[in-house]
Amino acid sequence: NAGVTQTPKFQVLKTGQSMTLQCAQDMNHEYMSWYRQDPGMGLRLIHYSVGAGITDQGEVPNGYNVSRSTTEDFPLRLLSAAPSQTSVYFCASRQKPTSGGSYEQYFGPGTRLTVT
Amino acid sequence: GDSVTQMEGPVTLSEEAFLTINCTYTATGYPSLFWYVQYPGEGLQLLLKATKADDKGSNKGFEATYRKETTSFHLEKGSVQVSDSAVYFCAGQAGTALIFGKGTTLSVSS
Repeated sequence: NAGVTQTPKFQVLKTGQSMTLQCAQDMNHEYMSWYRQDPGMGLRLIHYSVGAGITDQGEVPNGYNVSRSTTEDFPLRLLSAAPSQTSVYFCASRQKPTSGGSYEQYFGPGTRLTVT
Repeated sequence: GDSVTQMEGPVTLSEEAFLTINCTYTATGYPSLFWYVQYPGEGLQLLLKATKADDKGSNKGFEATYRKETTSFHLEKGSVQVSDSAVYFCAGQAGTALIFGKGTTLSVSS
């Protein structure tokens, strides 16, 4: 298994440009999430999905869109990039928790995005 | 809403010193709790977890006990190594998402 893969690893955008960060997992996990990591802020949840066709907003969703057409893929779209979106983005996936239990969340290697 | 508060860093220790990183959570009910570790330039990896009160998670010499009375999940290691230098995140499962603390940077020198 490749686990959770993300592309690209690095990206530089100009203000106003749009782009899509790709995320895929091959573990048949129902749950997938996008986080951004900023110095002193930890990881903040942008959007998440509990299954194909189902998405919801996290703590910091503004400026980002997601869709989940397949179990494997969960792309994150930046509609009009702003310098405030300079960050490291992590995609993660895990199995649906059972009653009284929980499963490990697996993270991708991250995408380092700079918006100038 | 649910939140996780962890000790701010950075924490600087000498090799073989004792480590404690504090973590407390505020949530409705009693969520599963986790410690993740991030080595330089990498994504996060699960270090240990606990799913109910008084559970003790352990891995690679690290331990944490889920204390319902104090709503805490402090990370401990008896003797740190240089290779333990990393950022450590406490997290709680809040419904469908994991909520993370801000992270604690640990630097261990030989």
